[in-house]
Amino acid sequence: DVKVTQSSRYLVKRTGEKVFLECVQDMDHENMFWYRQDPGLGLRLIYFSYDVKMKEKGDIPEGYSVSREKKERFSLILESASTNQTSMYLCASSVDRDNEKLFFGSGTQLSVL
Amino acid sequence: GDSVTQMEGPVTLSEEAFLTINCTYTATGYPSLFWYVQYPGEGLQLLLKATKADDKGSNKGFEATYRKETTSFHLEKGSVQVSDSAVYFCALPPSGGSYIPTFGRGTSLIVHP
Repeated sequence: DVKVTQSSRYLVKRTGEKVFLECVQDMDHENMFWYRQDPGLGLRLIYFSYDVKMKEKGDIPEGYSVSREKKERFSLILESASTNQTSMYLCASSVDRDNEKLFFGSGTQLSVL
Repeated sequence: GDSVTQMEGPVTLSEEAFLTINCTYTATGYPSLFWYVQYPGEGLQLLLKATKADDKGSNKGFEATYRKETTSFHLEKGSVQVSDSAVYFCALPPSGGSYIPTFGRGTSLIVHP
């Protein structure tokens, strides 16, 4: 089975800290995605990547950046964490654009104090 | 662009009750249709899919029929269990050269013993 692994299940950070969320997939998938999930708002796409070193902004990229140096790893970076970035962050991957199914990690619940 | 509308939750049921979660969509052509499920503390996972009109997707006792006339893909289960308590997302695959799937906002299901 495909595995998408997020490095932390829970994180607590201080306002202004630089935060790294890591995601690794083990099935050579082309596409990787970062979403945030908030009550009542569903899933909102932050960034996605369709190849190594390639990235595209999603719906809410402000305050975030990403890095994809290797195919299996997609990192989400909060340059200066703020309290409004407290959320559940979900990473996902898919084989390629023609493959419709997404595989999700278990999520990282980030609290910024 | 593509869009998915789901009924708002939470849906609260007693064990063994009948479940319907409504989903309607707007899309060009006749895309595949998906239901994902997110159990507490986990990421999303694909529950079922249908690839063409009148197809019925099924898994774990859940069913959904692709109705092109009403552009709907309602999720049903004849007898829910406490373990079905989760958030359910209706989704469209990427289209028109996009890499990004379209998700509904999710519907929370709470099943009481």
